[in-house]
Amino acid sequence: AQSVTQPDIHITVSEGASLELRCNYSYGATPYLFWYVQSPGQGLQLLLKYFSGDTLVQGIKGFEAEFKRSQSSFNLRKPSVHWSDAAEYFCAVGARFETYKYIFGTGTRLKVLA
Amino acid sequence: DSGVTQTPKHLITATGQRVTLRCSPRSGDLSVYWYQQSLDQGLQFLIQYYNGEERAKGNILERFSAQQFPDLHSELNLSSLELGDSALYFCASSRDQGAHNEQFFGPGTRLTVL
Repeated sequence: AQSVTQPDIHITVSEGASLELRCNYSYGATPYLFWYVQSPGQGLQLLLKYFSGDTLVQGIKGFEAEFKRSQSSFNLRKPSVHWSDAAEYFCAVGARFETYKYIFGTGTRLKVLA
Repeated sequence: DSGVTQTPKHLITATGQRVTLRCSPRSGDLSVYWYQQSLDQGLQFLIQYYNGEERAKGNILERFSAQQFPDLHSELNLSSLELGDSALYFCASSRDQGAHNEQFFGPGTRLTVL
């Protein structure tokens, strides 16, 4: 069965600073990988996804993520954070060969200091 | 706006009661997913339907049930409610049933059990 870990529950960065949110997964093969963002009082919105091919994936709002098979990681990055990026970020894993469901990480809450 | 609608937005009820949450997927989407988000459990997958049939089951309690109707809208029924069922319930939809599909999330229904 697949699982996903987001080791950082809270992260605080200053506006304009770079950001990296960590995501590690456990699965027997390369899973489908996703990053979603949840703004306060909102549903989740997809930032980016990885299925295969180029391991550096570009998403919306200036985010990118890199798949590293050797580390079973799919970390989310942004070179310069804006105050509007304050939200909760979820990494999700979809099993490629078994079930149809996603497994979501516990989320990382991002706070941005002005 | 994801195109997924959920009603009601808020629901306050008492222990032991039964409620029904409703979800209308995006136009053309055949798959509907239900999730429960609570502070202590995070975002938990409950169940998935595809074109009217149950496809995958997660951590759904026996007191909970769901169905997807011929017009593809879905309902989540929660019965014998307990205080611990208080949570945000999300519906998501996707075009197809596979785990590679992007899921589009509704705004959620906040359930408070008193």
